[in-house]
Amino acid sequence: AQKVTQAQTEISVVEKEDVTLDCVYETRDTTYYLFWYKQPPSGELVFLIRRNSFDEQNEISGRYSWNFQKSTSSFNFTITASQVVDSAVYFCALSPNSGYALNFGKGTSLLVTP
Amino acid sequence: KAGVTQTPRYLIKTRGQQVTLSCSPISGHRSVSWYQQTPGQGLQFLFEYFSETQRNKGNFPGRFSGRQFSNSRSEMNVSTLELGDSALYLCASSPGGAWNTEAFFGQGTRLTVV
Repeated sequence: AQKVTQAQTEISVVEKEDVTLDCVYETRDTTYYLFWYKQPPSGELVFLIRRNSFDEQNEISGRYSWNFQKSTSSFNFTITASQVVDSAVYFCALSPNSGYALNFGKGTSLLVTP
Repeated sequence: KAGVTQTPRYLIKTRGQQVTLSCSPISGHRSVSWYQQTPGQGLQFLFEYFSETQRNKGNFPGRFSGRQFSNSRSEMNVSTLELGDSALYLCASSPGGAWNTEAFFGQGTRLTVV
């Protein structure tokens, strides 16, 4: 069985602060895929990143960075110098190699205030 | 390039009725997945279609069904609606050629069962 845990339900930060969203996963598969999605109030899930289980390189994209550690089964997401527009619900998801089905965590609601 | 289009955006139905939701994927995408989002259960995978065939199915009762047409457009149907079926139903499309490519989501259909 696969499981994704996002322990942080809500996070509130002041603009320009750095914030890290935690994601811990469980799977018995040796090959799997991890994702992060952003859901703004409009409801549409916006793809942020995909990482396969064999690629543990950290990724940086502008103010966003991801830290994938297989040893701790974690795939954490950091926003540097947060902005009000970053306010949204962020979902971490896991997909097996045997078929296309995203297993989502419960999400972390991020509020960035001016 | 047009994104994923879901219609209608909002629906109100009475318990016991049935409902059909529509999803038009990104042009050229052959895989369509459906997800149910509720405050209690979060985001849950319903099913995935590729080239008119159901490739994967989540753990939902038989009242939930879907299909995909030759132009990759997909519909999902829920029969004998229950109050608990009230949710945001999200459709995602992906190229589908390989497992686990990133999925692009529509804005969803908000279904309210009264």
